[in-house]
Formats: sequence, structure tokens, C-alpha cells
Amino acid sequence: GDSVTQMEGPVTLSEEAFLTINCTYTATGYPSLFWYVQYPGEGLQLLLKATKADDKGSNKGFEATYRKETTSFHLEKGSVQVSDSAVYFCALSGGTSYDKVIFGPGTSLSVIP
Amino acid sequence: DAGVIQSPRHEVTEMGQEVTLRCKPISGHNSLFWYRQTMMRGLELLIYFNNNVPIDDSGMPEDRFSAKMPNASFSTLKIQPSEPRDSAVYFCASSLPAYGYTFGSGTRLTVV
Repeated sequence: GDSVTQMEGPVTLSEEAFLTINCTYTATGYPSLFWYVQYPGEGLQLLLKATKADDKGSNKGFEATYRKETTSFHLEKGSVQVSDSAVYFCALSGGTSYDKVIFGPGTSLSVIP
Repeated sequence: DAGVIQSPRHEVTEMGQEVTLRCKPISGHNSLFWYRQTMMRGLELLIYFNNNVPIDDSGMPEDRFSAKMPNASFSTLKIQPSEPRDSAVYFCASSLPAYGYTFGSGTRLTVV
């Protein structure tokens, strides 16, 4: 079945550091890929998405490129801020899971001043 | 749009009591999902509906859990009887296919 794997962390970075959170997926067909973010005490929010190969999703300085050849969707940000501290979830839908979204385990990010 | 609305935000109940969690999805979204989140297990899909019909309830932990969606604008998740191990944050989400979810703010359930 479809699945998502991501580095589990926790990840601790200094402010203005470069961020990469790795995500790889297994799916048949052509899934859509997502990154969600969960701030403390809140629900998950859609951060960005990509619906086909080579698409780049971007939002709030975060980017991720849909790489079908490596089945990856790594999240990057050039300069993190303290306010980026949260848990980040990689996810997919489509493929064999139809409209169900399959989530990775989440990666906790702490940014220190 | 007000987004996905869940109620209550917090619920504290005694073991053995019935608990009902409520969700109003975004108008026009045809899929609705109930998730449970704990530190130990992360995010677990309990059940999801498409066009008000339950499609997959394989994640419902046991018969004490039940969910209904009587119409396109309302869903409930019921636990009867509740147990301490049911303590978690319960999220509702709605979506259109392949567009990703919109989550509610969650209900934090504590069973004592």
C-alpha cells in the first residue's frame, strides 16, 4: 500500500540556518504530495503541495519539489525563524489511496534564537 | 469560510461516560475524516466518509467507537463507554479529492 517515510527528528537549528526535512514515498499511480505543519496546540495546516512530477510547491519561504525519479518531496527553507518551530508532516493522496491522505510520522523542528 | 469547526475544544469526562465529539466540515467538501493524535501513536485515521457514506472504518479501535454523518454538514464521533486510554486529541478534516485536507482545531479529550 501507499506509505510515506520522513526523518523523525527532533531537529534543532539556530535562527537563520538552512532547513531540510527529507521525505520519500511509496505509491502506485500519480499521487499528489503535501507538507502540513502543526504548531503547538493547533490542528494541522496545509503548508504546500505539488500535484505532478517536477512541480515545486512553495509557501512562507518553504519549498519542496516533486521528484518522481527518486520518489521524494524534501522540504527546504533557506533561513528559519523561531516562529517556524512546529511539527512538519509529509503526506500523499491519490495513487491507490484515492482521496485518503497518508501521513508520515512527523518531524519536530525547534529553532533557537 | 469559517473552516472546519469542531466542538467542544476540550472535554474532561469520567471513565465509563459517553462522549460525543462534533464536526462541521467546509461546505462543498465531499470527504470527511476523523483522526486521533497521541504522543505514542502519532496521527491515526479512525474513519472517513465520502458523500456522507462511511468508506473505511478499519481504524476505529473497537466497538466502543462509532461515527455518523447524517448529512453533508455534520458528523459525530461517539465513544461509549469511555476509558482513560481514549485520552487524545481528536481531529476532524474535510477535503475535495487530491486537494489535501483542511483540519479543524481538534478536541482535546481527557478521560479520568
